[in-house]
Amino acid sequence: DIQMTQSPSTLSASVGDRVTITCRASQSISNWLAWYQQKPGKAPKILIYKTSYLQSGVPSRFSGSGSGTEFTLTISSLQPDDFATYHCHQYNTYSSFGQGTKVEIK
Amino acid sequence: EVELVESGGGLVQSGGSLRLSCAVFGFSLSNYDMDWVRQAPGKGLEWVSYIDSGGTTTHYADSVRGRFTISRDQAKKSLFLQMNSLRVEDTAIYYCARDGGRGEKPPIDYWGPGTMVIVSS
Repeated sequence: DIQMTQSPSTLSASVGDRVTITCRASQSISNWLAWYQQKPGKAPKILIYKTSYLQSGVPSRFSGSGSGTEFTLTISSLQPDDFATYHCHQYNTYSSFGQGTKVEIK
Repeated sequence: EVELVESGGGLVQSGGSLRLSCAVFGFSLSNYDMDWVRQAPGKGLEWVSYIDSGGTTTHYADSVRGRFTISRDQAKKSLFLQMNSLRVEDTAIYYCARDGGRGEKPPIDYWGPGTMVIVSS
């Protein structure tokens, strides 16, 4: 099984900050990596797929990069609506998710 | 409009069984692979099971293999998850999800709101 490790687990930031979340895979997953945003009591929402493809309707302040085993999600300028939990998802071999990163208000 | 609606969750004792259902609206179930994904309270997401569009190929997480069975009924426009020999650690919100596979599209583009399963000891 492919293990996904996200860091940090929690991130405290302010509106306007540049935020970076990292996801590492236990083996190469090529570029089959997606990112989701989840708010309390809600289902996850797709942000980015295939490492860097922005889902339609998602603000351009979100971007993704990486390949192989190391990937990042970047929010260029954090907005109030962005305080949430973010999950990475590998779909190279079956599926597995990272443990999530909670972005909270500093 | 695409919509997924889960049902069948509830409180069950350890060792018991539950059958979850997911009714789909706004697309043809026969055209899509589907998944079940769960989330234990305060934890991350865990992929549980997959079924292909034809219902012939299924996959399971190690944690549920041999206890859970995924199935689908095109006529009823529904996806199912039969859960047997339930354990306390199966307590979670269970999400039904539409699988986009690998390609120029999201791996999961639609999720249901989830149904809560609580397994007591």
